[in-house]
Amino acid sequence: QVTLKESGPALVKPTQTLTLTCTFSGFSLSTSGMRVSWIRQPPGKALEWLARIDWDDDKFYSTSLKTRLTISKDTSKNQVVLTMTNMDPVDTATYYCARIGGADDYWGQGTLVTVSS
Amino acid sequence: DIQMTQSPSSLSASVGDRVTITCRASQGIRNDLGWYQQKPGKAPKRLIYAASSLQSGVPSRFSGSGSGTEFTLTISSLQPEDFATYYCLQHNSYPYSFGQGTKLEIK
Repeated sequence: QVTLKESGPALVKPTQTLTLTCTFSGFSLSTSGMRVSWIRQPPGKALEWLARIDWDDDKFYSTSLKTRLTISKDTSKNQVVLTMTNMDPVDTATYYCARIGGADDYWGQGTLVTVSS
Repeated sequence: DIQMTQSPSSLSASVGDRVTITCRASQGIRNDLGWYQQKPGKAPKRLIYAASSLQSGVPSRFSGSGSGTEFTLTISSLQPEDFATYYCLQHNSYPYSFGQGTKLEIK
């Protein structure tokens, strides 16, 4: 059974760096073809794809956010970490990690991050 | 980047109605498209993958069609539980992109 769960701070201040962790089970990111994405959704707005990391450590980023994002993995811990620098109130959103875009589709429950001083 | 233009942005319909939602890609994406349903406070749930394949466990009243740049999601007979927001997602090339969503409301 595949599960993913996001964790991280619920509140960050403007200009701070956000670090989110996705802890997953039911698959290994060392297995060929496996990959994990991050997606966010501001309150009442649309979904926005942010980044993806693959089993071979290939990384892909949103064009508009790539200068602020870093995605990494810890295969031994079954975790994927997303960092986003220079947080702003417009980055307030629910952040999801997910295994999407292929034959299967699994999402975490999401974690709400509020950016406020 | 590929832009996904989804229409309409909102739709009022009644139980039993047939509804269609469209996504247009700014360039060809073959059939690398999924349709998602999202209810308030929940993660999206995929209904359709590869543009026209029904996800396991999803009712057959949902169907998808299209290839290249134009795609549709059809609900043949709306049920009360179908009132939600729907999104398309292209995963043909990076960065992936979602449509802007269609909020389906009860008339």
